[in-house]
Amino acid sequence: DAGVIQSPRHEVTEMGQEVTLRCKPISGHDYLFWYRQTMMRGLELLIYFNNNVPIDDSGMPEDRFSAKMPNASFSTLKIQPSEPRDSAVYFCASSSSAINPNNEQFFGPGTRLTVL
Amino acid sequence: SQKIEQNSEALNIQEGKTATLTCNYTNYSPAYLQWYRQDPGRGPVFLLLIRENEKEKRKERLKVTFDTTLKQSLFHITASQPADSATYLCALGNSGGYQKVTFGTGTKLQVIP
Repeated sequence: DAGVIQSPRHEVTEMGQEVTLRCKPISGHDYLFWYRQTMMRGLELLIYFNNNVPIDDSGMPEDRFSAKMPNASFSTLKIQPSEPRDSAVYFCASSSSAINPNNEQFFGPGTRLTVL
Repeated sequence: SQKIEQNSEALNIQEGKTATLTCNYTNYSPAYLQWYRQDPGRGPVFLLLIRENEKEKRKERLKVTFDTTLKQSLFHITASQPADSATYLCALGNSGGYQKVTFGTGTKLQVIP
């Protein structure tokens, strides 16, 4: 398996523009997580899905952020409109509730977002 | 409010020595605690899990302890090598079979040859 795939790897945009980040989880995993990492706040959970259904979105900063998981192999995180304070590295991770005694999460390489 | 604290400053040690990293938490009753390693430009990678009823867990040169009374976990790397240089994150998880964890801010370890 190729692991968790994220695209794009880098995104530079101007304030006010819409940004869409994409994630393909590991095949067979039923949990998908979106995180944001900054120096100041560390790795923060934004939202997570179980079987394509959002379970907890309490970490989503505000209405400008939205996430979808239309099927088991694809998820998006959208920011509209983007602001400079959204600049961060966004990680997608997936895990399986079956045969996973360590509750291990598998992370993608991340998307580095810069909002000018 | 819930808080997870790791050494905010980088930890520098000499190759061959044992590195000890700390994870302290407050207002939290985790069912388990995980440790992840993160290299620059990459996502975290899982290393070890220890449950609330376990005192110690070992894996090769790694050892993790978990003291629910002190609300603290210690992460040890014995016979450290320059290749161990990375940021190490602890993460706390609840019971109930949920997959959600909360991460600490991480400690950067530098092993000097």
